[in-house]
Amino acid sequence: SQQGEEDPQALSIQEGENATMNCSYKTSINNLQWYRQNSGRGLVHLILIRSNEREKHSGRLRVTLDTSKKSSSLLITASRAADTASYFCATDTGGFKTIFGAGTRLFVKA
Amino acid sequence: KAGVTQTPRYLIKTRGQQVTLSCSPISGHRSVSWYQQTPGQGLQFLFEYFSETQRNKGNFPGRFSGRQFSNSRSEMNVSTLELGDSALYLCVSRDGTANTGELFFGEGSRLTVL
Repeated sequence: SQQGEEDPQALSIQEGENATMNCSYKTSINNLQWYRQNSGRGLVHLILIRSNEREKHSGRLRVTLDTSKKSSSLLITASRAADTASYFCATDTGGFKTIFGAGTRLFVKA
Repeated sequence: KAGVTQTPRYLIKTRGQQVTLSCSPISGHRSVSWYQQTPGQGLQFLFEYFSETQRNKGNFPGRFSGRQFSNSRSEMNVSTLELGDSALYLCVSRDGTANTGELFFGEGSRLTVL
């Protein structure tokens, strides 16, 4: 079963708007990561947030983590057409296994 | 630094055949994991190897197997292929000495089973 579940499954916005994706997970984690995948290609790491952190920024990305609610959100500000991709959250629970959610498909219209 | 290299990138097989996929991790990385990605099931963890030892495996039948060589290169094998094995198989490389951290993905091997 999936550890992380993203919401929404799909999101369509206009260029320049912000995109927010949410992730919920079930068990305690060491860290939570967000990845991006362009169609049919390998995933690319975006950002990692540790279990003792609440917020992290990287360029136009902002990630929050609420361990009490077992949830995280990824905010992409000022979206561009090139941000069109699938976004996955992934959790490290130990055991040398990272578990991925089902992903959010983001479409940014130019 | 070269990235994660997977071969072949695309392949077509028929039911009942077997297939071997190869992965060369980033130089210096000793951990290699494999994932299966399908539209219906998403990314499913297959197994993880570190220094030639399997440290964890997912819930896949015994038809799915893997190994890692002394140079950290890894192969996975699927025997008696079924239609449902059609998927993108992704290799992941990481340092592996810490039980956490960023994953580096290859571009994947897309398997089609007819």
